[in-house]
Order: sequence, then structure tokens, then C-alpha cells
Amino acid sequence: NAGVTQTPKFRVLKTGQSMTLLCAQDMNHEYMYWYRQDPGMGLRLIHYSVGEGTTAKGEVPDGYNVSRLKKQNFLLGLESAAPSQTSVYFCASSYLVGDTRSYEQYFGPGTRLTVT
Amino acid sequence: RKEVEQDPGPFNVPEGATVAFNCTYSNSASQSFFWYRQDCRKEPKLLMSVYSSGNEDGRFTAQLNRASQYISLLIRDSKLSDSATYLCVVNKMDSNYQLIWGAGTKLIIKP
Repeated sequence: NAGVTQTPKFRVLKTGQSMTLLCAQDMNHEYMYWYRQDPGMGLRLIHYSVGEGTTAKGEVPDGYNVSRLKKQNFLLGLESAAPSQTSVYFCASSYLVGDTRSYEQYFGPGTRLTVT
Repeated sequence: RKEVEQDPGPFNVPEGATVAFNCTYSNSASQSFFWYRQDCRKEPKLLMSVYSSGNEDGRFTAQLNRASQYISLLIRDSKLSDSATYLCVVNKMDSNYQLIWGAGTKLIIKP
């Protein structure tokens, strides 16, 4: 199993350009998430999905859109990139651990995005 | 008050020593607690879940103190490879599948 994969690994954009980050998981997890990580801060949730065809906003959704057309894929789009979106983006997926009501999350390797 | 707070460190510890750090959380109704490890420029990886009774995995022991709303991580006989940032994670209020992440505690093990 590849687990969670992300493409691309690195990207440099100019202000105003658009791009899509792709996340794929082969663990049959229902839940998927997009986070951003900035220096000195915890991971912040951008958007998440509780199943195919459903998405919801997280803590910092502005400037981003997402789609989950297939259970295994979760796409993050930046329509008009801004320097404030320079960050490391992580995708994660999770499942319910037995009867613990606990959802362990598993992460992709991240995408380093720089917006100039 | 932040929902999850950690001492950012760094904790500089000699190899072989025991080190412990705590994390406090604000939501008294939280039910899921985790420690993740993150190496420099890598993704977070699950180290261990934290159960009410505490749990141990080799050199690592995690404890939960609900009364004082903190979780702890103890590392015994530290190795150079333990150098990393340790992230404290708690579930979001009213949502078991959304997690709130601490900013992490940096640990540096010195030979």
C-alpha cells in the first residue's frame, strides 16, 4: 500500500495563478483532510470531507476550494494564489479505530508551495 | 487560551536520558488524544494514542490527566533518532473526526 500520496511535492506560483493539489489514499478511508502548516503554528484545517461527494470548511477555508468526486481522491484548488498562501500543505485520511470513537489520521508527504 | 498548548522547547537532552513533556487542552469534553512525531520537513506520523488508563509502547509512555486537562509523553533511554518535534493532538469539541493540533515541542538529543 502506498498510503497517502500527494502531488506535486514542490511548486512555485506567481500571485494570481491557479493550481490544484492532488491527494490520493489507498486505505479505503472515509475521511480526508487538507491542512496547512506554517512556522511556529499547529496544523490548521482548510477543508475536510466525510465521504465521497461531500466537503466542508475547516478553520481557514478562504481562498481554497476542494472536491471529492472519488472516495480515494481529495483535490485542493487555489483559484488566485496570494503570497499569504505560501505554506506546506498536508493531506490526511482517517478512519474510526474500533469502538474507541477515535479517528487516527495518516498523512501524505506534503506539498511545499511558494507564491511570489 | 489556545485549545492545545505545548512548550515549544527546544529540549536539549543527552543521549540515554529520560525526558518528559506535557500538553494542556481546553476542552474538558475531549475524548481522543494523540502524540504525533514530525521530523524536519516531513509529514506528522502517529506515535501513539493516549488512553484514559495511560499506555506504553517500548520506551514511550503516555498519560492522560482529565482533572487537570493535560496529557504527557515520557521518553526513556533517549536515542539520537528521537530528535524530532512532538505534536500533541486532541479532538475538536463536538467532532471526534476533527483534530486540533498543538504547535509542537522540539526535542534535540545530543550525543
